[in-house]
Formats: sequence, structure tokens, C-alpha cells
Amino acid sequence: DAGVTQSPTHLIKTRGQQVTLRCSPKSGHDTVSWYQQALGQGPQFIFQYYEEEERQRGNFPDRFSGHQFPNYSSELNVNALLLGDSALYLCASSARQAFYNEQFFGPGTRLTVL
Amino acid sequence: AQSVAQPEDQVNVAEGNPLTVKCTYSVSGNPYLFWYVQYPNRGLQFLLKYITGDNLVKGSYGFEAEFNKSQTSFHLKKPSALVSDSALYFCAVSPPGYGGATNKLIFGTGTLLAVQP
Repeated sequence: DAGVTQSPTHLIKTRGQQVTLRCSPKSGHDTVSWYQQALGQGPQFIFQYYEEEERQRGNFPDRFSGHQFPNYSSELNVNALLLGDSALYLCASSARQAFYNEQFFGPGTRLTVL
Repeated sequence: AQSVAQPEDQVNVAEGNPLTVKCTYSVSGNPYLFWYVQYPNRGLQFLLKYITGDNLVKGSYGFEAEFNKSQTSFHLKKPSALVSDSALYFCAVSPPGYGGATNKLIFGTGTLLAVQP
């Protein structure tokens, strides 16, 4: 079992650009959540996808958008990048029917905005 | 507002001594509670969880945590610390309702555990 995988590992962009991050959930999982972890902070919930729809959303602007594919993988898109978007972006997967089971996290994508 | 507090930025302990990493939460209802650990340049690894039942839960690598509903706390403990336990520890809460434990997680700011040989 490969666990949760994310790509790319690192990414450098400039202000105003757009970026797409990718996540493949753990085998058997159908729910994907995205978190932003700024340096020295705890992860902050961005949004969650289940059945190809955004089900929950945290306090993030519309510049942050996502998608979930039929194979349960997911993308996080950020438009009009700001310096403050520099962070580690974490993807977590879970199985909706496993009501009491924890979420599994990927290794993250480190985004640097210059 | 829902929140999780980890009052100590860093905890220092000597190898072989017991350790405690503190966590309190402010979430209405009966939330699910978690501890995760993060090593440098890595994602989060699950340690243990409290869903219901016994207030003392046991997890990976000899860690355990005690749930106290009246104090809204969920402190992480280990009877004998190892140098290899040195890492960043996060307490997290999943609010009750939508999706159970798959619901969004609210994290604390993390506590750096440093175990000296």
C-alpha cells in the first residue's frame, strides 16, 4: 500500500502565478482533505472533497479551488499567488464509511512564492 | 469559535524520564481527539485517537493519552522518553457531526519535544 502520495515535492512560483498540486489517496479511501501549514504553525483546513464535490470549506479565499476525480485523486489550485501562500500543503485521505477512522496524511508539497 | 491550544511551544525531557505534552480544546459537543507527530520535512503521522469509552487511550510507539471531559484536555504521555521521540507533536480535534472522524481537523500550533540523551 503506497499510502497517500503528493506531487510535486517542492515548487517555486512568483507572485500572481497559478499553481496546481496533486494528491492520490490511500487505497480504499474516497475522501480527500487539503490543509495549509505555514512555517511554525499547525495545519489549517482548506476544504474537503467527497464524491467529486466540495463538502466542507475552511476560511480560505476563492483563489483556492479544488477538484476530485472519479478515481478519488484530487487537485488543489491556487490562483493569483501571494507571498503569504508560501507553505507546506498537506493532503489527507479517509474512508467516509469508516466513521471512526483517522485521516492519513501525505508527505506534503512545499510551495515557495517569490 | 472552535480551537485547540497547546500551551507549550517546546518540552524538554531527559531520555528515560516520563513526558507529557499538553492539549486543551474548545469545541462544543463530543469531539473526536487525535495526536499526530511530524518529523522534519515529513507529513503527519497518526499516533492515537479518542472516540469514546475508556479515558486512557494507547497508541503507537508506547504513547498514550488521557481524555478529561471536565477539563476539556487530551494530554499526551509516555512513561519513558527516547531520543528518537524528538519531533513536533500536534493535537487535533474533529468536531462532532458531519463525517465523524473524517470531518475537518482543527489543529493546535504544535509542541516541539526535545529528548536529551
